[in-house]
Amino acid sequence: DTGVSQDPRHKITKRGQNVTFRCDPISEHNRLYWYRQTLGQGPEFLTYFQNEAQLEKSRLLSDRFSAERPKGSFSTLEIQRTEQGDSAMYLCASSKNPGTGAGNQPQHFGDGTRLSIL
Amino acid sequence: SQQGEEDPQALSIQEGENATMNCSYKTSINNLQWYRQNSGRGLVHLILIRSNEREKHSGRLRVTLDTSKKSSSLLITASRAADTASYFCATDRDDKIIFGKGTRLHILP
Repeated sequence: DTGVSQDPRHKITKRGQNVTFRCDPISEHNRLYWYRQTLGQGPEFLTYFQNEAQLEKSRLLSDRFSAERPKGSFSTLEIQRTEQGDSAMYLCASSKNPGTGAGNQPQHFGDGTRLSIL
Repeated sequence: SQQGEEDPQALSIQEGENATMNCSYKTSINNLQWYRQNSGRGLVHLILIRSNEREKHSGRLRVTLDTSKKSSSLLITASRAADTASYFCATDRDDKIIFGKGTRLHILP
């Protein structure tokens, strides 16, 4: 178990630029989740995958956000035309197949990518 | 949207004392989880308690669940400096888990 890894750890970019983050989950985990966290708040759900299938996307997620998990292994999260409000920590988590509901399994988190928009 | 809410928002105690954090939620659940987050790091899973369980222990951690009151508590006994962190409860809704805003725990030397 090598843990969940995220890359990069930090990203500083100018408003309007596109950014892409990568997440490598624990290898045997079917589920992969993306969250956004701002200062003083808990993680906020963005989207999740069961293997390569994206099963749900938060209504809070604008069309500028897209996520993929092409082979059911690593995942990428892209933000197009970044805005000041996108500044946050983006967290990835993975878990074993929880069966009847996500709460059945603990989630294993990476250390996140901190995005700063200038 | 938020499901669980932790109380207090912040807590400072002396090293060696016990720390208790509470979580209240709004709708019925199947499972409740507690996580810890050190500054600038990802979350670490602590305990998962199922709706048919009332209490669970893991080392110095004790979690209780009262489904009639829709609340849970996390007790950390004999606190250490390394316990300084934010603690989050997470409840399941549909096929997701929803986190509260957390309790920031500071252990004073």
